Amino acid sequence: QSVLTQPPSVSGAPGQRVTISCTGSSSNIGAGYDVHWYQQPPGTAPKVLIYGNTNRPSGVPDRFSGSKSGTSASLAITGLQAEDEADYYCQSYDSSLSGGVFGGGTKLTVL
Amino acid sequence: EVQLVESGGGLVQPGGSLRLSCAASGFSFSSYWMHWVRQAPGKGLVWVSRISSDGSITSYADSVKGRFTISRDNAKKTLYLQMNSLRAEDTAAYYCVREHDFWRIDYWGQGTLVTVSS
Repeated sequence: QSVLTQPPSVSGAPGQRVTISCTGSSSNIGAGYDVHWYQQPPGTAPKVLIYGNTNRPSGVPDRFSGSKSGTSASLAITGLQAEDEADYYCQSYDSSLSGGVFGGGTKLTVL
Repeated sequence: EVQLVESGGGLVQPGGSLRLSCAASGFSFSSYWMHWVRQAPGKGLVWVSRISSDGSITSYADSVKGRFTISRDNAKKTLYLQMNSLRAEDTAAYYCVREHDFWRIDYWGQGTLVTVSS
């Protein structure tokens, strides 16, 4: 059971928009700690997709965007492409655990 | 170019020990906090341990506290994870990651696989 809750899977057709939610609590996201998102294509290491809730590293397409409100955060992907098929993870800090916490991961399938 | 290259994984029996290493290059290693994150086969990412830039501050997930020890050698630009009393549930790919600032990871290694089995 992960501290941050994500849907196990989402899917969409090429060109469509999908969102992935990340729900936490008052000791992590709700406490104001930043949320970061990572993309992990099959068989590879994760890479940073969104940092500090809404920021994209250079090289990440602007089709990817992040938001945060209250105890939750969301990742939105517009104009879905086949190469977006991957697992996506949210991550934050938890003051009760005094450590980093990840969501359980969401598998994105492009139909 | 930032590079993090893990090594030291392999097959070990339950109760055994293993030491992972992570060779860093392409950045000022001694300026950054570092972490280990693991991923069991087919499962999600789990934070394991964190160490300050000078090695004086460490923290651990409850699941490994008392069994794992994180350390670093800034002169050798290398991060370590000493794993003792290994259990089957420690089987995972272990990633060395760099912290950009407060718990924000900006670079990941390619991972090294640890299998605990008799």
